[in-house]
Amino acid sequence: DAKTTQPPSMDCAEGRAANLPCNHSTISGNEYVYWYRQIHSQGPQYIIHGLKNNETNEMASLIITEDRKSSTLILPHATLRDTAVYYCIVRGNDMRFGAGTRLTVKP
Amino acid sequence: ETGVTQSPTHLIKTRGQQVTLRCSSQSGHNTVSWYQQALGQGPQFIFQYYREEENGRGNFPPRFSGLQFPNYSSELNVNALELDDSALYLCASSFGPASYNEQFFGPGTRLTVL
Repeated sequence: DAKTTQPPSMDCAEGRAANLPCNHSTISGNEYVYWYRQIHSQGPQYIIHGLKNNETNEMASLIITEDRKSSTLILPHATLRDTAVYYCIVRGNDMRFGAGTRLTVKP
Repeated sequence: ETGVTQSPTHLIKTRGQQVTLRCSSQSGHNTVSWYQQALGQGPQFIFQYYREEENGRGNFPPRFSGLQFPNYSSELNVNALELDDSALYLCASSFGPASYNEQFFGPGTRLTVL
C-alpha cells in the first residue's frame, strides 16, 4: 500500500500558484519524497524529489516539513498544460503510487 | 539522448495466452522497473532489474516474469493471461536502484485481454 495521503482533486486558476499537499506520517529516515505527474494515460513524468531539504527546479518547488511527515509541491504559475494527476510517493526500496491528486487548471 | 521506449504500443490477447512486452532503457541507465496501471488507478510496482538480476518484486504472481539483457533493455513476460491483466504496462529506467536515483518512465504498452 502507498504510504502517502493526497486529496483526490484540486482546482487552480491559470497563472496562479498550485499548492498540492501530501501526508506521509510513517516515512522512514532513508526514504525520499518523490513527485510525478501523469497526463491522460501517458507515462508518468518526473517532477522533483527530496529527502529533508526544500528543493527547486525548473518545473516546481518541493517543501518538506521539518518532521518530514508532510510535503507540498508548488507549481509557481500554473498553466492549462499542468492539468494532470499528481502522485506523491515515498520511496524506499520501491516506488508505491497511491491514487494521486487530479489537478485541474482553469482559465 | 534517447528516452525510455516501449513496444508494442497496443496489444490485444485472449485469456490463457502469453505475452512479452519490451523496454529500452534511457542511455546510461542500468536499472529497469516495471509497473502495471489498471484504469483509474495509480501504477503498481511489479519488479525491478539491476544489472541483469531481479532486485525487488511487488505483490504479483510468478506468472509475471522478467529479463534484463546486457545492454540493460528488458522484457516483461506474462503467462496464462487473465482478464484482470488488462492494463497499461509501464517501464522506468534509472542510473541505479538507489532511492535517490529518479526513475524515468516510458509511454507504456496498453494490453487488452479478451
